[in-house]
This record gives sequence, structure tokens and C-alpha cells, in this order.
Amino acid sequence: NAGVTQTPKFQVLKTGQSMTLQCAQDMNHNSMYWYRQDPGMGLRLIYYSASEGTTDKGEVPNGYNVSRLNKREFSLRLESAAPSQTSVYFCASSDGGEAFFGQGTRLTVV
Amino acid sequence: KNEVEQSPQNLTAQEGEFITINCSYSVGISALHWLQQHPGGGIVSLFMLSSGKKKHGRLIATINIQEKHSSLHITASHPRDSAVYICAVKNTGNQFYFGTGTSLTVIP
Repeated sequence: NAGVTQTPKFQVLKTGQSMTLQCAQDMNHNSMYWYRQDPGMGLRLIYYSASEGTTDKGEVPNGYNVSRLNKREFSLRLESAAPSQTSVYFCASSDGGEAFFGQGTRLTVV
Repeated sequence: KNEVEQSPQNLTAQEGEFITINCSYSVGISALHWLQQHPGGGIVSLFMLSSGKKKHGRLIATINIQEKHSSLHITASHPRDSAVYICAVKNTGNQFYFGTGTSLTVIP
């Protein structure tokens, strides 16, 4: 049982480049989330998906798009990366109870 | 506006000490979570509680719903307990709100 698998673990992008962060969970959870973590701040919600086929904006959605491809997978896309998007990104899933987190993606935009 | 406030922000303790981390929240919740994050590592859930008290080994979590307050206690602290401890609350809409974390260092 892998839990929440997030790729890649590290990424360096140039300003203006695009990329997709992948997330998959094997726990049959309905809810999935994308957060970013910055120094001195709590985890901030970028987007979440309450169920397959639905997505909603969180606290800091600007510059990001998401796709809930199926119940297992929830991807986060940066269309045109900016230095302000340098952060650690976490995917999470929940069945309404405990939350399970991926290992994180450390993204640097130069 | 922070829905979840933690204290202290940083904590250094000698091995064996009893440690308390506090969390206050301002929103209505369905549950409160304590999470642990090791340096360079992922985040793992320690506790989920909606009332009373839970215990796992040397860790104890309590919550007072009326006062909107929770505490995480570590008894007989050990250097391997060094990590960031994060308080998170979940509202009835299944949204999580996170504190900024307490960075704990336990010195041998």
C-alpha cells in the first residue's frame, strides 16, 4: 500500500517554463488536495478536489491549474512558472478523516 | 488572519524533558490533527481527535472543544523526536487549516 505518491521530488525550472506535478493515491479517497509550504507560513491550499470530476480553488490558486483525471490522480500544472512559485508542494488525500500526504516536491524557479 | 495559532514557534529541550506544544483555533471544526514533519521529509499524521485525549506511546494529544484549544505532549523526549509539529483543523466542509508549526530540537 503506497499511500500518496508524488512526483517529481525535486525540480528546477526557468521562469516561463511549464510543468506538471503528479499525484496518485491508492486508498480510494474522494478528497485530494494540493498545498504549498513556504518558510514561516503554514501549508496553504492551492486547489482541492472533493470528488472525481470536481475541483475548487483554495487560498492561493493564481498561476496554477489542476486536473482530477480519475479518482486516483490529481495533477497540478504551472503554465508559466514564476520565481514566486518557488516552494515545497504537497499533495494530500483524505477519506473525511485522517489526511495522508505525499513526500513533497521541492520546486525552484530561477 | 490565522485560523490556527501554535506556540511556541521554536522549542529546544534536553533529552528526557516533558514537552508541551499548544494550538488554538478560531473556526468551527469537525476534527483536529497533529502532524509531524522531519527535515527534508514528508508529513505524517500523529493524531486525529475531536474530543478528549489520545495516546500513542510517549505522545499524548488533548483537545478542549469549548476553549478551542489542543495540546500535544511528549513525555521522556528523545533526539529522534526532533521535527516540526503541525496543528491542523478540519472544518465541516472537509477543508484543512494549518498552523505554522513548532520546530522542536531535543538535545542529547
